[in-house]
Amino acid sequence: QVQLVQSGAEVKKPGASVKVSCKASGYTFTSYGFSWLRQAPGQGLEWMGWISAHSGNTNYAQKFQGRVTMTTDTSTSTAYMELRSLRSDDTAVYYCAREGVLGYWGQGTLVTVSS
Amino acid sequence: DIVMTQTPLSSPVTLGQPASISCRSSQSLEHSHGNTYLSWLQQRPGQPPRLLIYEISNRFSGVPDRFSGSGAGTDFTLEISRVEAEDVGVYYCMQVTQFPYTFGQGTKLEIK
Repeated sequence: QVQLVQSGAEVKKPGASVKVSCKASGYTFTSYGFSWLRQAPGQGLEWMGWISAHSGNTNYAQKFQGRVTMTTDTSTSTAYMELRSLRSDDTAVYYCAREGVLGYWGQGTLVTVSS
Repeated sequence: DIVMTQTPLSSPVTLGQPASISCRSSQSLEHSHGNTYLSWLQQRPGQPPRLLIYEISNRFSGVPDRFSGSGAGTDFTLEISRVEAEDVGVYYCMQVTQFPYTFGQGTKLEIK
């Protein structure tokens, strides 16, 4: 069965970077891309961007352009999302979701940005 | 960006009764090759979102048939035929027709 397992919670200081991983299993990794999304405490869902696991092509939301990098490692079937220059309002649960119809989601990774 | 607007934002429902959530997009969600990429997600408290419906009316794997979706163009509806206790949570409509993907504000379904 399809599973997306994300890395554990992180606590970062303002200005630092965080890299969240999303390990996929149960299907051919390069057949589907990934979206990354986030949800601030008590808030709705926000799409951050997309990456093709086949080509590595990306499309980032304008809000995150220049601060986010999405990559994949086909040898380990893992997708990554790195966010730099963290601010307190980046505190959120970050999710990966498999493209097609975003039918499969990771469990979420809480990133807390605090001095 | 496409703006997604949901109504109502809160929906108290009696167990066993139907519930309905509406979603309107600021422009047509019909893709150039004919499909309309409007989805509905359910998020139970403390859980990641779960896909219920994709492309307006297709139930995702394992979704009970009491959930149904309808609509076209810019107006869409999620219906629950008979609400059960496990349906409590927040429901989001989402468009994946074009980047950036966007979401409705969420509708909180609660039991009266």
